[in-house]
Amino acid sequence: QKEVEQNSGPLSVPEGAIASLNCTYSDRVSQSFFWYRQYSGKSPELIMSIYSNGDKEDGRFTAQLNKASQYVSLLIRDSQPSDSATYLCAVRGPLSNYQLIWGAGTKLIIKP
Amino acid sequence: GAVVSQHPSWVICKSGTSVKIECRSLDFQATTMFWYRQFPKQSLMLMATSNEGSKATYEQGVEKDKFLINHASLTLSTLTVTSAHPEDSSFYICSARTLNEQFFGPGTRLTVL
Repeated sequence: QKEVEQNSGPLSVPEGAIASLNCTYSDRVSQSFFWYRQYSGKSPELIMSIYSNGDKEDGRFTAQLNKASQYVSLLIRDSQPSDSATYLCAVRGPLSNYQLIWGAGTKLIIKP
Repeated sequence: GAVVSQHPSWVICKSGTSVKIECRSLDFQATTMFWYRQFPKQSLMLMATSNEGSKATYEQGVEKDKFLINHASLTLSTLTVTSAHPEDSSFYICSARTLNEQFFGPGTRLTVL
């Protein structure tokens, strides 16, 4: 069974520090990887997508993909209290109907 | 860009009634839309995948006769919860696919009394 694993947390990080969120996946042929942010009571919001090995930066966010080790991570620099949310990792394989396999999410708390 | 709307944002209904939820892609055409359900403090659960002009594909354990999905156009999909019961109370969220990414609507909170 295809799985996406995340540490449920909560992960507590001081304001201004770097928050590091990790995700591993089981399907080696997965090709597309996504990070979503979900505030309590709200729907998920796409933060980053990454498709090839290496780093992808967008503002304070950096996604890192290592297909050989089957993990993808999200770094948040200069963490702000507004970054406190649950971060969902999602993976899409090449043959699915664009369905995503979801991790359970990591709850991130940024402490002022 | 890539904005998805959902209506209504919340609804309260009596047990036994039906509720229709609309999902629209506002600035793009979505060949595929997805319907999810999320219970408090739980993960997203995919209910069905909806392709424009064809029947929806339901996930195992989701009753297709209870959760009716219509994807009549490239910008509109609807989910009808028929004969709703209190156990159907949940947060229903749609997403729409543009190229390789999924964008979510704001969700509909359903409470069945």
